[in-house]
Order: sequence, then C-alpha cells, then structure tokens
Amino acid sequence: GESVGLHLPTLSVQEGDNSIINCAYSNSASDYFIWYKQESGKGPQFIIDIRSNMDKRQGQRVTVLLNKTVKHLSLQIAATQPGDSAVYFCAESRGNTGFQKLVFGTGTRLLVSP
Amino acid sequence: NAGVTQTPKFRVLKTGQSMTLLCAQDMNHEYMYWYRQDPGMGLRLIHYSVGEGTTAKGEVPDGYNVSRLKKQNFLLGLESAAPSQTSVYFCASRDWGVTDTQYFGPGTRLTVL
Repeated sequence: GESVGLHLPTLSVQEGDNSIINCAYSNSASDYFIWYKQESGKGPQFIIDIRSNMDKRQGQRVTVLLNKTVKHLSLQIAATQPGDSAVYFCAESRGNTGFQKLVFGTGTRLLVSP
Repeated sequence: NAGVTQTPKFRVLKTGQSMTLLCAQDMNHEYMYWYRQDPGMGLRLIHYSVGEGTTAKGEVPDGYNVSRLKKQNFLLGLESAAPSQTSVYFCASRDWGVTDTQYFGPGTRLTVL
C-alpha cells in the first residue's frame, strides 16, 4: 500500500555533528514534500519543503534532498544544536488539484547530546 | 499575529460527555484541518474545510463533527466521548496558493475516562 515512512525511530548525535533524517515514500505521483519539527508538548512546526521538480533545497542550517528514482527524502541538519532535539516528520502531498492532503510519517526522534 | 490558536489546552472528560474544541487562525487562510495524534501513528486527518461554510470528512471522521461558520474559526465537536478518543488534537490552516504548507496550532490534550 501507499505509505510515508521513516527508517529510524530515534537518532542520537553529539552537539556540533551533522544529522541526517531519512524518509521513504511510495507514491511516485506525489509532487510536494514537507519536513516538520515537533518539540515536546507543541504543534508541528514547518522547517522546509521541496517540490518534485527539485533535487535539493537549502534553508538555514537545513537541507532537504529528494531522490525520485528511489523515492527517498532526507533532511540534513548542519552543526546540530541541543535546541534541535525534537521529533521530525516528513509529509507527502497527494491528491487532486483544488485540494491536496498531507500524509504524515510516524516521525524520527532526534536526541542531541552536549 | 497569533497564527493558529486552540482552546482548551487540556481537558478530561467522562465517557458519554460532549465537548467542543475551538481553532482560530488570523492569517485569513482558506483551508483548515483537524488532526489527531496518537503514539506511533503519526497525524491522522479527522475533518477539513476548504472555505467558510464547507466541511468534509478526512481519514478518521467517526465520532466527530465540525463546523466552519466563520472563515477564521473551525470547531471540532465530540457528541458522546469514548476512551478511544483520548488523543492530542491539532488544528492546522493553509492558504490558497502554490504551497501546501500547513501551519499548526499548539494542540489540545484530551483524556476520556
């Protein structure tokens, strides 16, 4: 069936390291992908997005890579900080024009040690 | 600009009681959504609205009703709460445009005993 999933439920890194969080999707028709960060007790917060006509997009300390051949998405966080500790979700946009719904993965917990 | 706000933040209900969760957004967004988040299951869409006066069912609509009488507000109702509805509820909104980015509220933690 169609799904949006994550390879690792928990990722532990040291402060200052680079973090890579992965996501697999199965619907080749999806054309928009978003990464969200969710801190404990808070709602998901938008980090970065990418459209299917792009392979890479950079933000502030974050980069999203999209590999359509293997239907894989990754979020890279440079110089990870303790404040980056959170659960990270990828979301896939699919649906008909006019209304598109997001399908969310279950999340990866990022733990950053000082 | 408060973004998306939700009230209440916490609530405990007994089985069979009813309640309404309120979501408000001040970004003039057309689309609004209600999700529930359960451990290990990610966010699941309950109901959504594509504009004032419209509502539609999402992935898990049973046991919930919604109303969008004003563009800025989206209400989620539980007519007869059940323990299976214990969850964290998130509201989100999105503008009509080229992006599908949804902006989320802080959530409501609901416990049904």
